Amino acid sequence: KQEVTQIPAALSVPEGENLVLNCSFTDSAIYNLQWFRQDPGKGLTSLLLIQSSQREQTSGRLNASLDKSSGRSTLYIAASQPGDSATYLCAANRGYALNFGKGTSLLVTP
Amino acid sequence: NAGVTQTPKFQVLKTGQSMTLQCAQDMNHEYMSWYRQDPGMGLRLIHYSVGAGITDQGEVPNGYNVSRSTTEDFPLRLLSAAPSQTSVYFCASSYASGTGDTQYFGPGTRLTVL
Repeated sequence: KQEVTQIPAALSVPEGENLVLNCSFTDSAIYNLQWFRQDPGKGLTSLLLIQSSQREQTSGRLNASLDKSSGRSTLYIAASQPGDSATYLCAANRGYALNFGKGTSLLVTP
Repeated sequence: NAGVTQTPKFQVLKTGQSMTLQCAQDMNHEYMSWYRQDPGMGLRLIHYSVGAGITDQGEVPNGYNVSRSTTEDFPLRLLSAAPSQTSVYFCASSYASGTGDTQYFGPGTRLTVL
């Protein structure tokens, strides 16, 4: 059974800092890894998807990397802003199902 | 495109009542799925469908039924609600399964069973 772990569970940083969120998974037989953002009481917004053959993906201030052999992915957020405050979820895709981590709750203070 | 829509947004049921959570997508996606999100548990897959007429169980299917008569709709039925089914339910869709496409999520239905 695929186990997905996210560290840290919570993170508070001042505005402007660069930060890294970590995701690890136990089964490397995945199609891709997807990062989501979830605001309180809201649904999930897809941020980045890295296919299993790729090493990284970038979108604006976000950069996600994937190391399948070691079962790790990181989400790098550059120059954080208060609007980045949310819960960030990673999910390993086995084709018919996503296995989610429990998320990292991020607070960016002005 | 409206994307993935879910109704209702909120629902309160009494133990033993039945109801259907609605999910629709207008992106012509073949693959649709239902997840529940509980504090400390993360999101878990309930049921999924790879196309009209085809459904299968996920990780936590007990107490839930699904059917897929059209590409657009994938309702989730609770036949006899239990307090353990209090949760936030999310519907998701993607173009196809087995290829690892991006999955798009609806806004969720927050269900409370008393």
